[in-house]
Amino acid sequence: QVQLVQSGAEVKKPGSSVRVSCKVSGDTFSTFGFSWVRQAPGQGLEWMGRIIPIVGSANYAQKFQGRVTITADESTSTAYMELSSLRSEDTAVYYCAGPNSGTFDLWGRGTLVTVSS
Amino acid sequence: DIQMTQSPSSLSASVGDRVTITCRASQSINYSLNWYQQKPGKAPRLLIYAASSLQSGVPSRFSGSGSGTDFTLTISSLQPEDFATYYCQQSHSIHPMYTFGQGTKLEIK
Repeated sequence: QVQLVQSGAEVKKPGSSVRVSCKVSGDTFSTFGFSWVRQAPGQGLEWMGRIIPIVGSANYAQKFQGRVTITADESTSTAYMELSSLRSEDTAVYYCAGPNSGTFDLWGRGTLVTVSS
Repeated sequence: DIQMTQSPSSLSASVGDRVTITCRASQSINYSLNWYQQKPGKAPRLLIYAASSLQSGVPSRFSGSGSGTDFTLTISSLQPEDFATYYCQQSHSIHPMYTFGQGTKLEIK
């Protein structure tokens, strides 16, 4: 059974960066399309960007352009989302989702990122 | 980016009621519209894809319709486990910014 296994919770200082990982188990990594979606406390879902490893390039929501980098490492079947210049408003649960780049029937459990001084 | 607008933002209903949630896209997305259900503390669950296709394992009381800019999610007879928040999301490949609607919280009356 295919699963997306995310890295654990993080606590970061304002201005720093965070990298969250998402490892695929049980399926062919290169055919996946990964998206990253975040959800601030009590708020809705916010799509951040996507990568299709076999293509290599990523697309980002305009809101996060310049602050987010999504990458994929085929050798470890892992996708990464790095968010820089963190501020308190970035406190959220970050989800990876797939396997189709636009339709998400598989989700990780989420990674809580807390930004606090 | 394409904007997705859901209505209502919240809704109170009773077990057995028929409920409809609407979603409007700021430009045509053909049939590229998905619906998700989310319960507190859990990841979203895909219910409907491509506007009207029922995801495997989802009860048949859920249905979706629409095309272009206007879409609906209907629950034909609410069950206790259906009280949750519902999101629409556009998945149009020409606009690979897979925006979500703001959500509709369905509560017990």
